[in-house]
Amino acid sequence: KAGVTQTPRYLIKTRGQQVTLSCSPISGHRSVSWYQQTPGQGLQFLFEYFSETQRNKGNFPGRFSGRQFSNSRSEMNVSTLELGDSALYLCASSPGREYEQYFGPGTRLTVT
Amino acid sequence: QKEVEQNSGPLSVPEGAIASLNCTYSDRGSQSFFWYRQYSGKSPELIMFIYSNGDKEDGRFTAQLNKASQYVSLLIRDSQPSDSATYLCAVNAGANSKLTFGKGITLSVRP
Repeated sequence: KAGVTQTPRYLIKTRGQQVTLSCSPISGHRSVSWYQQTPGQGLQFLFEYFSETQRNKGNFPGRFSGRQFSNSRSEMNVSTLELGDSALYLCASSPGREYEQYFGPGTRLTVT
Repeated sequence: QKEVEQNSGPLSVPEGAIASLNCTYSDRGSQSFFWYRQYSGKSPELIMFIYSNGDKEDGRFTAQLNKASQYVSLLIRDSQPSDSATYLCAVNAGANSKLTFGKGITLSVRP
């Protein structure tokens, strides 16, 4: 089975711009979660989608949003980028929300 | 606030030794427990999961769960330099809850 894929792998943006990241889960997995990882804060939960519905949301500002499509693929969007948004963004898929999650390779976002 | 705490590191062990990584959690209703390994510059990789009290073994890895003490641990036997990585403990309180991660502990295995 193919693993979780994320595109793009690397991204450089300027403050004030917006960005969209994409995640394709493992085939058959219906749950997709997004995380932000920085050296100082560790792995922080952004949101989780299950069958196109957002079921959980972390403590991030409204500039961070996401969605899930009928084929379980998911996108997250960050508007009005700030320097502090520079991080590794990880997507993880799961067969269901109480089961183990498998991570994609991540998107490294740098905001200048 | 549901929390997952991992003992402070870094942890350094000699090659061939047993590495013991510990994790405590605050939500007594937690049901699923996971250990991830993350190499520098890479994404987390699932190495063990455990749902029931007791031990679960997979090769050189053993996960131990004690729900009464709200404690989960990972033992790595015959540690190898390739085991050097950051290990993340994660806890799920149930079907309606998100996965909560600890800060991680960095393990270094000395040749």
